[in-house]
Amino acid sequence: EDKVVQSPLSLVVHEGDTVTLNCSYEVTNFRSLLWYKQEKKAPTFLFMLTSSGIEKKSGRLSSILDKKELFSILNITATQTGDSAVYLCAVVRGINDYKLSFGAGTTVTVRA
Amino acid sequence: EPEVTQTPSHQVTQMGQEVILRCVPISNHLYFYWYRQILGQKVEFLVSFYNNEISEKSEIFDDQFSVERPDGSNFTLKIRSTKLEDSAMYFCASKGSGGGSYNEQFFGPGTRLTVL
Repeated sequence: EDKVVQSPLSLVVHEGDTVTLNCSYEVTNFRSLLWYKQEKKAPTFLFMLTSSGIEKKSGRLSSILDKKELFSILNITATQTGDSAVYLCAVVRGINDYKLSFGAGTTVTVRA
Repeated sequence: EPEVTQTPSHQVTQMGQEVILRCVPISNHLYFYWYRQILGQKVEFLVSFYNNEISEKSEIFDDQFSVERPDGSNFTLKIRSTKLEDSAMYFCASKGSGGGSYNEQFFGPGTRLTVL
């Protein structure tokens, strides 16, 4: 069975802090790892990582994948209150199987 | 920007009743999915649908569940006889073909199902 484990489960920071979220996985036929941000309802896509060691950046967010050690990190720098959300990690495996297997998420609360 | 839409946003039903949750995927997408999220728990895969048939389903997706793409635009999830434990947020997602590479899934806003 696929395993996707996120840590920490939750954290509280102040505006301007940097946060690092972790996602480790054990899946057969790993294909890609995705990060989503879930505020009130639907998860919204942040990053997709397929190759090891290549950092993806979008503004203050960045993410990298380590396929040897089977984990990914998501960094948020200069956090703002609008970054408060649940951050979900999900993996895709296989060639014809595109279902997402999600971790439990990390709840980030950014205080002003 | 194209988006996945879902109706209704909230459905309340009595145990044992049938419900149909509706989704309109992004128009040129070919892969469709249903996920659910019980309050406080992680998002769980239910079923994937491609080329007018189910491509994979999870253990949760038992005989009480069915999916259909009746008219080329809607994608529905039917629960025949709802149970209390079916109460959850149900998300529809869709994905383009990608030409061999994986593209991200886009999620709809969800339908909150409450079974009384």
